[in-house]
Order: sequence, then structure tokens, then C-alpha cells
Amino acid sequence: DIVVTQSPNSLAVSLGERATINCKSSQSVLFTPNNKNYLGWYQQKPGQPPKLLIYWASTRESGVPDRFSGSGSGTDFTLTISSLQAEDVAVYFCQQYYASPYSFGQGTKVEIK
Amino acid sequence: QVRLQQWGAGLLKPSETLSLTCAVYDGAFSGYFWSWVRQPPGKGPEWIGEINPRGDTNYHPSLKSRLTMSVDTSRSQFSLQLTSVTAADTAIYYCARRMMIAGRPTRIDRWGQGTLVTVSS
Repeated sequence: DIVVTQSPNSLAVSLGERATINCKSSQSVLFTPNNKNYLGWYQQKPGQPPKLLIYWASTRESGVPDRFSGSGSGTDFTLTISSLQAEDVAVYFCQQYYASPYSFGQGTKVEIK
Repeated sequence: QVRLQQWGAGLLKPSETLSLTCAVYDGAFSGYFWSWVRQPPGKGPEWIGEINPRGDTNYHPSLKSRLTMSVDTSRSQFSLQLTSVTAADTAIYYCARRMMIAGRPTRIDRWGQGTLVTVSS
């Protein structure tokens, strides 16, 4: 099974500053035939289901603000919020959808400093 | 805009069977994998399994012996049954839609509202 590990577990960032979340998979999630990384990022606010932000590691879902961006390839990935807004306070998860069972990271809680 | 609406019992005793159903409204049912994900309180999500409209299933190995998923394409619904539940099965259970591209399931892009299932004697 692929293990997905996020860091840090939590971070506090000032409004308008950059937030960076890391995600590492225990094996590569790059599917060579189409050169796509099978990794997504989700945002979850209290009492709500997760919301898809990023797929293919770096493609923003429709309607997601452009302050959210994803990068990385193979086993190491990053979600960046370029200028943190109050409404971005949430828990963020990455998930690999390369191989079953399709594992999630443990989550990173983002708060306002 | 597609909506997933789920329902089922929220309080179970140990050894009982968890049953949940999810209906898909305002969107296509074919061409997707229909998944279940659970999230224990305060923890990350855990993918449980999925089914496509043909009835092909893929289950998490740790739950496979207790898990059954089914689909009713005429009603655009899919269901989950998990037998012999214990306190470790206490979680919010979500139904979800996975995009299928070139025959491979990919990202989850839509979620149901979630059902808190508590297992307690």
C-alpha cells in the first residue's frame, strides 16, 4: 500500500502571507504512459465534506481561487496558498489515486497567526 | 450541478450491520466510479471502496471480508453494507464520485453531505 505523509500537522500564517503544505508518498504516483501525477489536494472546513482544490498534482479545479497552487512530481508534492485569506482556515489533505487502496494524508490544519 | 444525497442509520450496536445509500441527482450516473470514504473523528479520510455502474467493485483490503457494495442504475443509487461493526468503525461516512478517465478511476470531485455512524453498546 502507498503511504501518504503530510507535513507539518499544523501551521499558523498571517493574513496575506504564504502557506506551504508538503505531501510525500511512499512510492511514485507518476503514471508514465500519460506523464500525470495521480495526486489531489482537498480542503475541509468543519462540518463539511472535503472539497477538491487541485488534481493531477497541479491542475486547479474549476472555481478554485488562483492563490491555491500545486507542484511536485513522483513522490514529493506541495500545496501553496500564496496569500492566506480568512476563509482559507481549514484542514488540507492530499490523496494519491494512483493505486488501490487510495490513501489520504493525515491532514494539515491551517490557522491564522 | 450534480448532488449526492445519502442516508442510513447513524447509531449501531457492536456486531450489527451498517447500511448506507447514496442517490445521485442532476448528473450522469454512467462513466464514473461511485465511492465510499470514511473519516474517524479528528482523523484523515480513509477510502473504503467503490463500484461502477456495471457493478464492478474494488474494496479496501482491510474491510473486504465485511464489505458489500451494490448499485441500482435505474434509480441512480449505490449502497454500502458493512457487517459486524465495532467501535473502530465509528466515523463520518461519505459517498463520493470519482472521475473515470481512459477506464481508470481518478480524482474524487463530488461528495455527499456525510453521515455520522456511531457504534456503541
